Amino acid sequence: SAVISQKPSRDICQRGTSLTIQCQVDSQVTMMFWYRQQPGQSLTLIATANQGSEATYESGFVIDKFPISRPNLTFSTLTVSNMSPEDSSIYLCSVEVYREEPYEQYFGPGTRLTVT
Amino acid sequence: RKEVEQDPGPFNVPEGATVAFNCTYSNSASQSFFWYRQDCRKEPKLLMSVYSSGNEDGRFTAQLNRASQYISLLIRDSKLSDSATYLCAVIGSGNTGKLIFGQGTTLQVKP
Repeated sequence: SAVISQKPSRDICQRGTSLTIQCQVDSQVTMMFWYRQQPGQSLTLIATANQGSEATYESGFVIDKFPISRPNLTFSTLTVSNMSPEDSSIYLCSVEVYREEPYEQYFGPGTRLTVT
Repeated sequence: RKEVEQDPGPFNVPEGATVAFNCTYSNSASQSFFWYRQDCRKEPKLLMSVYSSGNEDGRFTAQLNRASQYISLLIRDSKLSDSATYLCAVIGSGNTGKLIFGQGTTLQVKP
């Protein structure tokens, strides 16, 4: 597997502000993803973070609200912009590890965001 | 209809019991299947990939039934430490890496 870290681990933010979450992996990976887990819910994919090009967003998620950067193969950021209480969630990054098929996906520890 | 469905439970079982969870998926072209375990306030951890021929890891056995479009997880000799939420996840066609998760099944093992 891969060792994945996220910063911050948690934050409490005021509505209308933005928060940038960082995800760092200890090895180069091709595929990185950002997920959201709302309280009491399962995980939903926000976007695929593509190195060297714009992220690929899932239905219901847009770049203006969740801009993503992927400057290299070990690092990505997700920004939650103009936050509202509905954005209170755990945000997790994940990476896909290639050993043999099926390619397995591992998650970072998550960032617990509370918007007041 | 959700793409991946699980019975949320909770499943309350005594220590030593055998318990099985099923997970159904709607996309017949789905390619890869996984079981994750998530403890309270923690990230999901990969428990097992599910192979076409089925696979076993200690007390855990995973099966795939493509004809009926479901995967299963069997836990034998349940331990208190098995108490957690078990999430099934599916990758659809195209090998995009996009994991679609079920809502999770909560297991509580009691002494």
